[in-house]
Amino acid sequence: AQSVTQPDIHITVSEGASLELRCNYSYGATPYLFWYVQSPGQGLQLLLKYFSGDTLVQGIKGFEAEFKRSQSSFNLRKPSVHWSDAAEYFCAVGGGGGYQKVTFGTGTKLQVIP
Amino acid sequence: SAVISQKPSRDICQRGTSLTIQCQVDSQVTMMFWYRQQPGQSLTLIATANQGSEATYESGFVIDKFPISRPNLTFSTLTVSNMSPEDSSIYLCSVESNREDTQYFGPGTRLTVL
Repeated sequence: AQSVTQPDIHITVSEGASLELRCNYSYGATPYLFWYVQSPGQGLQLLLKYFSGDTLVQGIKGFEAEFKRSQSSFNLRKPSVHWSDAAEYFCAVGGGGGYQKVTFGTGTKLQVIP
Repeated sequence: SAVISQKPSRDICQRGTSLTIQCQVDSQVTMMFWYRQQPGQSLTLIATANQGSEATYESGFVIDKFPISRPNLTFSTLTVSNMSPEDSSIYLCSVESNREDTQYFGPGTRLTVL
């Protein structure tokens, strides 16, 4: 069965500092990997996704993520965090190829301090 | 990507009543999904709704409690029946983009049951 682990429930960073959110997945084949962001009271917005090819993917809002098959990881990074990045971030894994059941991690809540 | 709207955005309901949530997408899509996000939790898939067929429910969710309609390729409803306080959650609709193997989410419906 597929699964996603986000080991950090809550992270606090200073504005302007770099950010890395961890994600580990379990999937029997080549995974389709996603990062979503949820601002308070909002739905989920897609930040970026990885299906194949270059293992470093760029997303919106200055985020990037790197797929490391050997570590079963898909960590999200941003070089300089802005106060507006405060939100909850969800990593997800699916199978692609038409209908895909997507499994979400438990989320990491990001707090940004001035 | 797809633009998805949900109605209502939030509601407060009495125990024992039912609420129907609507999901409208701006383009025709094959797959629509309904998720539940309980307070402080991640997303749990309730069911998958394909146009012209019965919804497929995940383990722990039944049609009598969460009936779903999918009358056409741009619209779906989820009813939460005979509500109890444990049904207080955010309910999210998502669609899978036919060409992108990616799910896009609506803004969610925040339900409080008293």
